[in-house]
Parts: sequence; C-alpha cells; structure tokens
Amino acid sequence: EVQLVESGGGLVQPGGSLRLSCAASGFTFSSYWMTWVRQAPGKGLEWVANIDLDGSQKYYVASVKGRFTISRDNAKNSLYLQMNSLRAEDTAVYYCARDLLYSGSYWVEDAFDIWGQGTMVTVSS
Amino acid sequence: QSVLTQPPSVSGAPGQRVTISCTGSSSNIGAGYDVHWYQQLPGTAPKLLIYGNTNRPSGVPDRFSGSKSGTSASLAITGLQAEDEADYYCQSFDSSLSGVVFGGGTKLTVL
Repeated sequence: EVQLVESGGGLVQPGGSLRLSCAASGFTFSSYWMTWVRQAPGKGLEWVANIDLDGSQKYYVASVKGRFTISRDNAKNSLYLQMNSLRAEDTAVYYCARDLLYSGSYWVEDAFDIWGQGTMVTVSS
Repeated sequence: QSVLTQPPSVSGAPGQRVTISCTGSSSNIGAGYDVHWYQQLPGTAPKLLIYGNTNRPSGVPDRFSGSKSGTSASLAITGLQAEDEADYYCQSFDSSLSGVVFGGGTKLTVL
C-alpha cells in the first residue's frame, strides 16, 4: 500500500525549533519529488516547500525562507522539515505529499497525488 | 487573500449538478499552468480529484470533471451525493511568486 506517515509535531514556544518527519512506503521514494503543505486551523491549504529527487533543488514559500529547511534521506525513504524561529502563524497541520511532477502543455507541473494524515504543530507560549 | 479565487461556499440538492470556479491571472492559470483539484472531507487529508485540468486519477468517479479556459478553471460535480459534502481546493503554479498556489477553498453543502 502506498503510504506517507508524518510525525514530530507538537507544542513549541515562539522562537523554538521542531523537526518533522515523513516516512514513505509502497513506492520508489527516490523517484519522486516531495512536498510539504500546511493548513492553519479553520483555514485553507498553503504550499510550504518541495524538494527534487536527490535533494539538490529545494523551493520554499516566501514566509518560511531562511527559517525552514526541507531535506530527504532516500536510503531511509524519509522526508524532513526542519523548522526554526517558529512563530504563532506557523501553527498548522503539516502534510507531506508526493509530487506527480509531469510535463504539461507548456510547463513542468506539480500535482500532489498521495498525502499523509498530517501532524499538528502548535506555536504558543 | 489567495492568488486563486474560489467562492467560499456552494450548495445543491442530491442529484443536482454544481460547479466551483477558480479564478486566477496571467501569472498562473493564464500563463498556461495546469489546474488541479482536491477534495478534503471533514477531518481528513486532501485527496487529488482532478489533475492537469481534466484528468481523473484512478478511482475518482466520472461524476467529477474539470475544465479550464483563459485565466479560470471549473470543477463540476453531477449527480450530487451526500458523501460529496466537503471542502474543495484548486491548485496551480504562479510564476510571479515562483511557487505552488492554492485557492482559498470552497465548502460544498449537500442540502
């Protein structure tokens, strides 16, 4: 069964750090770009970051650049999100997702076909 | 404010047809980037419903269909069922922001 399982969420004080993990199974992890998407309580989805096959290319939403780092370990079939200098507005459920990354009519396109169940991060004093 | 604009809510009776719009601009949908749609049932993770504007992943009923024209896209649901009650999100890429963007989401209520 194709599956993604996140872990590592919890309560952290403003300015603190947290490392999220995402364990992949049921597919060849090293063949797919991977992504983190978050959802604040009662709000919509927000793309956070994505990473290419070997970790050499990484992209971030502006609000987390310089604070968050996405990484992967293909030998362990795992994706990570290191979150530093956390703020209250980072409070959200964090989902990892598999990126289809296919060639569209004009561009290379991102669509997320497999999602984990999410892990909750709460930033509060 | 989301880069992609969706109506906050839509509703329909069982068996009816509803559509959800997703309006973008020349830096995302209008630039030729594909639109994808996700369904999020209450308390669960999002699920890919439509990718590449019109394509359904395996297992998604053909009651769900997508279209795209100019700077907008639409998701249509025919033969509405109670189990379709969920939040629906469109997604694309924005060249000005250099990143993936989502719509604000639309809550579908089955009356």
